[in-house]
Amino acid sequence: SYELTQPPSVSVSPGQTARITCSGDALPKQYAYWYQQKPGQAPVLVIYKDSERPSGIPERFSGSSSGTTVTLTISGVQAEDEADYYCQSADSSGTYLWVFGGGTKLTVL
Amino acid sequence: QITLKESGPTLVKPTQTLTLTCTFSGFSLSTSGVGVGWIRQPPGKALEWLALIYWNDDKRYSPSLKSRLTITKDTSKNQVVLTMTNMDPVDTATYYCAHKAGDYGDYRVDYWGQGTLVTVSS
Repeated sequence: SYELTQPPSVSVSPGQTARITCSGDALPKQYAYWYQQKPGQAPVLVIYKDSERPSGIPERFSGSSSGTTVTLTISGVQAEDEADYYCQSADSSGTYLWVFGGGTKLTVL
Repeated sequence: QITLKESGPTLVKPTQTLTLTCTFSGFSLSTSGVGVGWIRQPPGKALEWLALIYWNDDKRYSPSLKSRLTITKDTSKNQVVLTMTNMDPVDTATYYCAHKAGDYGDYRVDYWGQGTLVTVSS
């Protein structure tokens, strides 16, 4: 079955830039979406269609795509950004079967 | 304002069938492009997509769980029901229902329910 691969953890100091990657063979053909999840809470959409930011999401969150890898970038990381981040996409077969990545724990040092 | 809420048993026994209901408001599941999906998360683990139903009654299932899942909708009641057969302790998880926005090829989940923890144990 199709998989999306994320690093288990990323650590940055406040004010620095965090980059979280997500790799999958179908990503050149399918959009990626990013969700932030804090402990005990439901996920929140932070990026959709690779690089679009929903209303209410701070500008420091951005997304990009290159080949089989998409990247969530958080510029000027704040303590409140510490959370788990998940990418989401679909397989390339046109059957619209969703998949989530394994998640990345962002630690703000 | 869009809201979704999951309901169902908090404890099921192994081999039993789980039935979860998602009751939503603020949108209609007869509107073109709209979908409602189910996603689960075992304690301390990653999100796992389970199933999705579109406004036109088109349905999609996770390949690894397809044989155990059924998703249906009742547009008049603003509800979506997920059934999962042959429950096992590894199915212990928080189960979320969620609103899918955009067109058919847009997988954006912009609203989530609060989630309901289902424990599978004898």
